Amino acid sequence: EDQVTQSPEALRLQEGESSSLNCSYTVSGLRGLFWYRQDPGKGPEFLFTLYSAGEEKEKERLKATLTKKESFLHITAPKPEDSATYLCAVQGGGGSYIPTFGRGTSLIVHP
Amino acid sequence: DSGVTQTPKHLITATGQRVTLRCSPRSGDLSVYWYQQSLDQGLQFLIQYYNGEERAKGNILERFSAQQFPDLHSELNLSSLELGDSALYFCASSVGGQGLNEQFFGPGTRLTVL
Repeated sequence: EDQVTQSPEALRLQEGESSSLNCSYTVSGLRGLFWYRQDPGKGPEFLFTLYSAGEEKEKERLKATLTKKESFLHITAPKPEDSATYLCAVQGGGGSYIPTFGRGTSLIVHP
Repeated sequence: DSGVTQTPKHLITATGQRVTLRCSPRSGDLSVYWYQQSLDQGLQFLIQYYNGEERAKGNILERFSAQQFPDLHSELNLSSLELGDSALYFCASSVGGQGLNEQFFGPGTRLTVL
């Protein structure tokens, strides 16, 4: 069974204070790892897909990296509008193609 | 705006009742996924349809059922509702049917069972 564990559960940062969110996973044959952002009361919004260890993707202040056991979402010089819950999901190589989601990291950036 | 629409936005009902949630995927997307998100369970996959056919099933209760119509919109039917069914229900859509493509989520339907 695929498993995804995200840490920390919650993170408070000052504006401009860079940090990283962690997503540890166990999966039988990784087909893809996904990062989503979710604002309160809204649906998750797609950020990145990573397919293989060593891959990196960037979008504005966010950078996602992938190893064989975990992924990091690095947030550089965050702003208050980056406050959200960040979800990580994996898709394994079994018969089902459905992603398994982690519980998320709730990020609050104070001005 | 993801292009995925869900109705209604909010639904309040009583235990034992039956409700139907509706989802219209993004234009061109053939796959529709249903998820349940509660405070204690996180985001849980329920079921996927691809071009009208059931493609994958997750932790969906027997009291729940879904279908995808020829125009590709989908409905999730929840019956014999219990207090524990109170949650946010999200629909997502994607172009392909194998889940590798990024999924675009709708705004969700908040179900409250009293």
